[in-house]
Amino acid sequence: DSGVTQTPKHLITATGQRVTLRCSPRSGDLSVYWYQQSLDQGLQFLIQYYNGEERAKGNILERFSAQQFPDLHSELNLSSLELGDSALYFCASSEGTGGYGYTFGSGTRLTVV
Amino acid sequence: AQSVAQPEDQVNVAEGNPLTVKCTYSVSGNPYLFWYVQYPNRGLQFLLKYITGDNLVKGSYGFEAEFNKSQTSFHLKKPSALVSDSALYFCAVISWSGAGSYQLTFGKGTKLSVIP
Repeated sequence: DSGVTQTPKHLITATGQRVTLRCSPRSGDLSVYWYQQSLDQGLQFLIQYYNGEERAKGNILERFSAQQFPDLHSELNLSSLELGDSALYFCASSEGTGGYGYTFGSGTRLTVV
Repeated sequence: AQSVAQPEDQVNVAEGNPLTVKCTYSVSGNPYLFWYVQYPNRGLQFLLKYITGDNLVKGSYGFEAEFNKSQTSFHLKKPSALVSDSALYFCAVISWSGAGSYQLTFGKGTKLSVIP
C-alpha cells in the first residue's frame, strides 16, 4: 500500500456520460497530480493542485476538471466521455511542489463503451 | 521544454544476463532525472533519481543508472536480470510548470521481458 488511495479501481461507462475519480493523498502530502496513461500517449500530465490551489495544467481537455478539497483529497471530473478517454488515470502525491518524492496510487481504469 | 525519450518500446533479456533500458533527455539547464517501474495493475514505483553528484546512481532492487552528460543519456542497468524484473519502466525528468511548481514528465515507457 503506497498510502495514496484511488477509487474506484475500475469504471465502465457509456459515451456521453460523466464520471468522478477520487484520490486521497498520502498523509502529510499537500500536492496532488493527475496523470492519464494510454497505450498510444504514454503517461500524460493533466493537472496539479497544492493545498487546495491549482498550480499547473498539462494536457487536460476542457471536458475534464479537477479540484482539491480542504481535507486534501482530490477529484477528477470527466464529462461528455468519448471512447478515446478510455485509459488508466493515476493520482500521485508529494509533500511539496518540487516534483520530488512522488507517490503514486494504483490507478482507476476507465472504460468508455 | 524538458523531455525524455525511451527509444525502445520493448527489451527482451535472458534471466541472469545484464540488462539495459535506455533513456535520453533534452533539457535546458541541469537535468533532474528519475526511473520508475510499473508492475501489472499497479501504480508506478520509484527506483532511483539523479540530481547531482556521482554519475552512477544506485537504486532499489539492484538497479543502477548512469548519467552521461555528453551523450545526454540516463540508462537504467542491472548486472543480472530476474524474471521478477519483467515490468514497464519509465524514465522521467522534472519540468518547470510555473507558479513555483514542478512536475514529472515521463517517457513513453519500455516493456522489459526477462525470459527464464
